[in-house]
Amino acid sequence: IAGITQAPTSQILAAGRRMTLRCTQDMRHNAMYWYRQDLGLGLRLIHYSNTAGTTGKGEVPDGYSVSRANTDDFPLTLASAVPSQTSVYFCASSYEPAGTGGYNEQFFGPGTRLTVL
Amino acid sequence: TQLLEQSPQFLSIQEGENLTVYCNSSSVFSSLQWYRQEPGEGPVLLVTVVTGGEVKKLKRLTFQFGDARKDSSLHITAAQPGDTGLYLCAGRSARQLTFGSGTQLTVLP
Repeated sequence: IAGITQAPTSQILAAGRRMTLRCTQDMRHNAMYWYRQDLGLGLRLIHYSNTAGTTGKGEVPDGYSVSRANTDDFPLTLASAVPSQTSVYFCASSYEPAGTGGYNEQFFGPGTRLTVL
Repeated sequence: TQLLEQSPQFLSIQEGENLTVYCNSSSVFSSLQWYRQEPGEGPVLLVTVVTGGEVKKLKRLTFQFGDARKDSSLHITAAQPGDTGLYLCAGRSARQLTFGSGTQLTVLP
């Protein structure tokens, strides 16, 4: 079982270019998340999806978009990259039972290190 | 926006010493989780505390949730070099996690 995979592992991108970070999970989790991690700021939620076909905005959604066409995949797109989007991006998933607040574990991928020049 | 403040931000200690990491907020959380992250990897869950005043132990690690469910602490007894890593607390509300900024712990042999 792979868990969560992310691709690419790292990328250097010119400002203004479009970039899609890929995330796939094989745990059949209904919820998926994208975070960015910057030194001194911890992990900040960009977008999330509670179930296939739905998405929501997190704390720092501007400049990013997501889609959730199926349970397994949750790509993150930067339409026109800017240097402030240089960060390490983590995808995560969890099983969230419907109708409860829950306190389930989030499983994280290995991250994508993105540098925008 | 809910904020979680962790302290200290950096901690470097000798093997065998004890340490405590704090996670504080003005917000109430339904539960609080502690994660540990190693370089080049994603965070991995250590523990979830749910009830105010709850204490959980994981070998040499002791986690406590504040009575008001606004704060938490992580205490490590007799730290070992293998404990080195970034420790993150995360408060949960409305199905989402708010992460603290993390404590980078280095245990020197």
